[in-house]
Amino acid sequence: GESVGLHLPTLSVQEGDNSIINCAYSNSASDYFIWYKQESGKGPQFIIDIRSNMDKRQGQRVTVLLNKTVKHLSLQIAATQPGDSAVYFCAEGILTGGGNKLTFGTGTQLKVEL
Amino acid sequence: KAGVTQTPRYLIKTRGQQVTLSCSPISGHRSVSWYQQTPGQGLQFLFEYFSETQRNKGNFPGRFSGRQFSNSRSEMNVSTLELGDSALYLCASSLVQGTGELFFGEGSRLTVL
Repeated sequence: GESVGLHLPTLSVQEGDNSIINCAYSNSASDYFIWYKQESGKGPQFIIDIRSNMDKRQGQRVTVLLNKTVKHLSLQIAATQPGDSAVYFCAEGILTGGGNKLTFGTGTQLKVEL
Repeated sequence: KAGVTQTPRYLIKTRGQQVTLSCSPISGHRSVSWYQQTPGQGLQFLFEYFSETQRNKGNFPGRFSGRQFSNSRSEMNVSTLELGDSALYLCASSLVQGTGELFFGEGSRLTVL
């Protein structure tokens, strides 16, 4: 699936609350899924990835959940901080060919309110 | 360790011109990918190089090309620029193949007038 859309969905949360960012992916053949964070004026930054044979993976303050039945991916951020304000992208990739070709979602703007 | 470096950071061109963008990957990273980011289309894959060979290519016209040198540095070229080529061009390098852990540069912001 190609990324489309002029307007990013926005999620506003209070500092200290948990955030959940959702993503619907398109290719059931994808082997791995990734979340990236992009701050204004910067390139995307890798957060966490998950293989298609897993349904949950935890990192530092983040958890990614994968539901292959409905092709849904979510990123949970615990105790959201002002520094978490950014655009979050999900992406999917296929291992065939050994390359790193990723298909990105449209992104979600996370705004953390003090 | 230095991150991915892209030059130039900003440039303005006119329709019909051509442009070359440069990317220096993180030391030791042999895979370099290029992405185009626009408000309308989001992040779209252009191509990927590994050991001087193009390994993957996205759905862009032949005006978009790239190459990789023996030191893993990469360049991309866009010929006969169109207004729609205005975008942020992002380069990413990676150490491990077949994973999503890419290290992105800050991008080259191209404006076509």
